Amino acid sequence: AQSVTQPDIHITVSEGASLELRCNYSYGATPYLFWYVQSPGQGLQLLLKYFSGDTLVQGIKGFEAEFKRSQSSFNLRKPSVHWSDAAEYFCAVGAGNYGGSQGNLIFGKGTKLSVKP
Amino acid sequence: DGGITQSPKYLFRKEGQNVTLSCEQNLNHDAMYWYRQDPGQGLRLIYYSQIVNDFQKGDIAEGYSVSREKKESFPLTVTSAQKNPTAFYLCASSTPRHGKGEYFGPGTRLTVT
Repeated sequence: AQSVTQPDIHITVSEGASLELRCNYSYGATPYLFWYVQSPGQGLQLLLKYFSGDTLVQGIKGFEAEFKRSQSSFNLRKPSVHWSDAAEYFCAVGAGNYGGSQGNLIFGKGTKLSVKP
Repeated sequence: DGGITQSPKYLFRKEGQNVTLSCEQNLNHDAMYWYRQDPGQGLRLIYYSQIVNDFQKGDIAEGYSVSREKKESFPLTVTSAQKNPTAFYLCASSTPRHGKGEYFGPGTRLTVT
């Protein structure tokens, strides 16, 4: 069965520092992978996604993620964090025959990012 | 602008009452989903629907019911059988095309006392 692990529950970085949020997935085929961001009390916003092609994907708000099949990872990165990036981040993988019979996403439990001034 | 609307933003109910959460989308998406979010638990799938008049149970469907009479609407009823209904509920939609991801509404916070 598909699963997603985000090993870090809470990360604190200084404003201007670089950021890497870890995500490991379990899936038997080529996965569809996503990163979402959620501000407190809000819905989720899609940051970026990967389903084929270049393993380094660019997203909104200056984020990027790299798909590494050998490590079953899809880590999110940002070279310089802004205070407005403080939020919770969720990694997700397409479940089942994604786009087919089921089509929903399996989510990790999230990583809360705090930004120090 | 296209999007997903959930209403109300906050909802309060007494224990033992059924309550219905609204979800409407004008994205022309075929698939719609309901997730429940609890602190530290991530998102858990309650129900999903790939097409009008059809829906499937997700991982935590007990105590919930849904309907999909129109493509745009996917209301969720939290029944009195749900043992711990207080949570943040998120509705999402997607197209059937691969890799498109899901688009989320702003959520409804339900508090049952």
